[in-house]
Formats: sequence, C-alpha cells, structure tokens
Amino acid sequence: AQSVTQLGSHVSVSEGALVLLRCNYSSSVPPYLFWYVQYPNQGLQLLLKYTTGATLVKGINGFEAEFKKSETSFHLTKPSAHMSDAAEYFCAVSEYGSNYKLTFGKGTLLTVNP
Amino acid sequence: DAGVIQSPRHEVTEMGQEVTLRCKPISGHDYLFWYRQTMMRGLELLIYFNNNVPIDDSGMPEDRFSAKMPNASFSTLKIQPSEPRDSAVYFCASSFAGGRETQYFGPGTRLLVL
Repeated sequence: AQSVTQLGSHVSVSEGALVLLRCNYSSSVPPYLFWYVQYPNQGLQLLLKYTTGATLVKGINGFEAEFKKSETSFHLTKPSAHMSDAAEYFCAVSEYGSNYKLTFGKGTLLTVNP
Repeated sequence: DAGVIQSPRHEVTEMGQEVTLRCKPISGHDYLFWYRQTMMRGLELLIYFNNNVPIDDSGMPEDRFSAKMPNASFSTLKIQPSEPRDSAVYFCASSFAGGRETQYFGPGTRLLVL
C-alpha cells in the first residue's frame, strides 16, 4: 500500500528565504509523485508532478522538487519565498497498479512573514 | 476551459436531512473522483468512476453515502440522513485516460451539519 508522510504540519519562513517542504513516500512500485497547493477556501491546484524521466521537476510559481529514490523523498523547494506563497501544500503519491488513485499526506501549512 | 464545477459551494443543514452535492467534470475527462477533507483525517478518497461506472467505493464511510454518475458531465454525492460528523469539505476531481495520473480539482463544497 502506498503512503505519504509530510514532515512538519506548519512551516514558517521570512519573505525572501528558502522554502523547503518535506515529503517521504512509501510505494511498492515506481511511484508517481505530486505536489498540490491549496489557498484558503479554494480547491487543490497542481504545482508539479514526477512520473518518469528527469528527477528534478520544475513547477509553477518558481517551485521545484527532486525525486530521490534512495531516500524515498520528494521534497519541495523554492529559492525565495513570496507573501503570495502562503498556503497549504499537499504531497501525494499514486501507482500505476492502483489505477492512479491518489494518496495524500496530511499537508503542510506555509506561513510567510514580512 | 471552465474547470471542474461543484455546487453548492456552501451547505448548512440540520442533522437527519438529505444532502446532495453536485459535480461537473472537465469536458472530455473520463475519470471522476470524490474526496472528503477534514482536519482529523485529511484528504480521503471516497469513490471514483471511469466512464460513468463506479470502480472503487471502498472509501465511502457507510451506507448513508451514495454516489451516482448518470452521464459523462454530471455526478452527485448524496448523504441521507446527514450527521454532524459528516461536516467537511467535499472535493470532486477529474482526469482523462491519456493523462489520468493527473487529477484536476474543483473548488469544493463546504458542508456543515448542525
């Protein structure tokens, strides 16, 4: 069975600082990995995804994530935080054999301080 | 493209009442997913459809919950009778066979059962 662990339910950074949101997964087959962002009172928006190929994936709004199989990790980073990045971020995993059912982590709330 | 459309956006009802949530997937998408989001349990997959046929309803909490997809452009999630513990945000998502690893989410329905 697949699972996702997001380390830290709340991360606070200063504007302009590095953003690092951690995600570790468990999967019995090569996974597909996703980061979604949820702004207050809105649905989930896809930030980026890893399926196959290059392990460093670039997404929208300057975010990127690196798939590290040996560490079973898919951490999300952004070099310089902006106030508009404040939101909740969800890491998710799906497997081909599961018919692409998504399993989500608990989410990490990102706060950006001026 | 209009994206996934959900209605109503907010619903307040009293315990014991029937609640119907509606979803219109993105045109051309043949997979439809219903999720529930709560503080305690995070994002949970309730049920998903492929070509209007329910494929996996193992996440439906109990018999009070039912979902239908009478055609490719409409799905409902019904709770009868509703209970306070059903209070949550319910999301609908859709994807298409060629890129079904990626799900697109609607804005959600915030349900409060008093």
